[in-house]
Amino acid sequence: AQKVTQAQTEISVVEKEDVTLDCVYETRDTTYYLFWYKQPPSGELVFLIRRNSFDEQNEISGRYSWNFQKSTSSFNFTITASQVVDSAVYFCALSLTGTYKYIFGTGTRLKVLA
Amino acid sequence: DTEVTQTPKHLVMGMTNKKSLKCEQHMGHRAMYWYKQKAKKPPELMFVYSYEKLSINESVPSRFSPECPNSSLLNLHLHALQPEDSALYLCASSQPGESHNEQFFGPGTRLTVL
Repeated sequence: AQKVTQAQTEISVVEKEDVTLDCVYETRDTTYYLFWYKQPPSGELVFLIRRNSFDEQNEISGRYSWNFQKSTSSFNFTITASQVVDSAVYFCALSLTGTYKYIFGTGTRLKVLA
Repeated sequence: DTEVTQTPKHLVMGMTNKKSLKCEQHMGHRAMYWYKQKAKKPPELMFVYSYEKLSINESVPSRFSPECPNSSLLNLHLHALQPEDSALYLCASSQPGESHNEQFFGPGTRLTVL
């Protein structure tokens, strides 16, 4: 069975703090894709990153970084020096080869306080 | 242009009404999606169109009827809805090729069924 777990329902941090959002996935497939999306209050989901199962390199994009570890089936997302504009719901998603369907986690609501 | 537009932004309808949601993209994407999202839940896939043909119907009740008139437009026709159908309806598009392509989402239509 395929599953994505985001155990943190809601996180509150003070501006400029670093914060890590956890994502743990389950699949028996050897080829799969992992995504992170941000959903601000305006509603649209904004694509942040895609990673395929054969690429375990960590990635940094500005204040955002991602740590993919196949050994622990985790794809965690860190925001450095958080800002109020980072307040949103963040979804981790798993997609398998041969399907259009995402398996979403339940999302983590991040509140960054000024 | 990396935008997916959706109209209307808000819709209130009675259970006997017929209404339509509209989605448009000009990114040349040939896969388009409808999702339903209830409050504090992840999006749930409803339909996928690939090259203007219905590719996936996630066992959605027939009171929801999708239509893809051309490669840029996606409609969702609504008829005899129930109050539990009240939700945010999100449209998305991507390059075809299934799982590895990121999806671009519109801001959604917030539907209330009275």
